[in-house]
Amino acid sequence: GQNIDQPTEMTATEGAIVQINCTYQTSGFNGLFWYQQHAGEAPTFLSYNVLDGLEEKGRFSSFLSRSKGYSYLLLKELQMKDSASYLCAVSPGDSWGKLQFGAGTQVVVTP
Amino acid sequence: DADVTQTPRNRITKTGKRIMLECSQTKGHDRMYWYRQDPGLGLRLIYYSFDVKDINKGEISDGYSVSRQAQAKFSLSLESAIPNQTALYFCATQQGNEQFFGPGTRLTVL
Repeated sequence: GQNIDQPTEMTATEGAIVQINCTYQTSGFNGLFWYQQHAGEAPTFLSYNVLDGLEEKGRFSSFLSRSKGYSYLLLKELQMKDSASYLCAVSPGDSWGKLQFGAGTQVVVTP
Repeated sequence: DADVTQTPRNRITKTGKRIMLECSQTKGHDRMYWYRQDPGLGLRLIYYSFDVKDINKGEISDGYSVSRQAQAKFSLSLESAIPNQTALYFCATQQGNEQFFGPGTRLTVL
């Protein structure tokens, strides 16, 4: 079966760095995605990894290790607006675009 | 104007009623999805469609049906609503690696 695990909640201070880990076990693998969801809003796309390594996009970076079934999302120079839920999702091997989501990690940024 | 719209945004209904949630998109994308989101469970895929003639079940399709009336429209129906279908429902389209989500429909079944 499919299993995607990420921490429920993390708290960090404005200006700091936070790393959100995600581990997965899926039947096949077509890529790992991170989405951001502010309270009461729709998820929005942050990143996509299909090969091992680090992808950097401004203050956000995402890392993937396929052999370990592991990814992390790194948020640097935290801002208050980064307070949101971060969703890890995997596209399993049977159909591109069909995503399996983790339950999400609520990040709380404090002044 | 929003690229992916959902109607209604909020709905309260009673057990046993038939409900239709509608999704429209102006993005011209072929792929469309319906998810539900429950606290602590994340987003779960209900149905998906890769073009007008294609409909596929997701991981939790029981109790739901869909219709892809056109490239731009993908509707989700609950034939006989039950209380455990109370949730936040999202429609999404896809292009490349990115899915674009609508604003969601909050459905309450009493």
